[in-house]
Amino acid sequence: GAGVSQSPSNKVTEKGKDVELRCDPISGHTALYWYRQSLGQGLEFLIYFQGNSAPDKSGLPSDRFSAERTGGSVSTLTIQRTQQEDSAVYLCASSTQAGSGANVLTFGAGSRLTVL
Amino acid sequence: AQSVSQHNHHVILSEAASLELGCNYSYGGTVNLFWYVQYPGQHLQLLLKYFSGDPLVKGIKGFEAEFIKSKFSFNLRKPSVQWSDTAEYFCAVNAGGKLIFGQGTELSVKP
Repeated sequence: GAGVSQSPSNKVTEKGKDVELRCDPISGHTALYWYRQSLGQGLEFLIYFQGNSAPDKSGLPSDRFSAERTGGSVSTLTIQRTQQEDSAVYLCASSTQAGSGANVLTFGAGSRLTVL
Repeated sequence: AQSVSQHNHHVILSEAASLELGCNYSYGGTVNLFWYVQYPGQHLQLLLKYFSGDPLVKGIKGFEAEFIKSKFSFNLRKPSVQWSDTAEYFCAVNAGGKLIFGQGTELSVKP
């Protein structure tokens, strides 16, 4: 597609429930990132996928968080047993890793998660 | 661990004032440096980037940034801000493949 697409745009859930957030990157972009944006916390790196390499999961805050990327395209971020502190906007971004476009991220609109 | 520090959390300026937003990073390897901007209600977008060569880089809308390797800094500047520059600004460093962002600086420009 023309841009990075994320769904749902808004999700309200109850504490303890599991949620899945989806990201559809720009076609042909080999790199895909997930970030979390909270008020006053900036953009917190969560996970980075690059091609067929093992993902860099160093930013995942706990084992309740996981992500996968199927077929090198669509990615799903899963949060199990959600807590109130998980409330934030979850941003997905993708980029090519070649040439002048390397590491120039195109961001989606984000998925706003509210945990009650 | 890699990190990016933005010293100003909220900056308030009047139109036509000059702007400088500080950014320092912590990473020992070769770096690529970026400034991204998020206008109200919009996606994050690239403002400018530094990969190599001239340490003074120019971006969109009259913004520029200077890479000073000895100071591990990449400060953003604009000689004369406009009301439309009101936004949140994020400095970022590519550290071994992944992009690490600072906490952001909210800029409010009063007309």
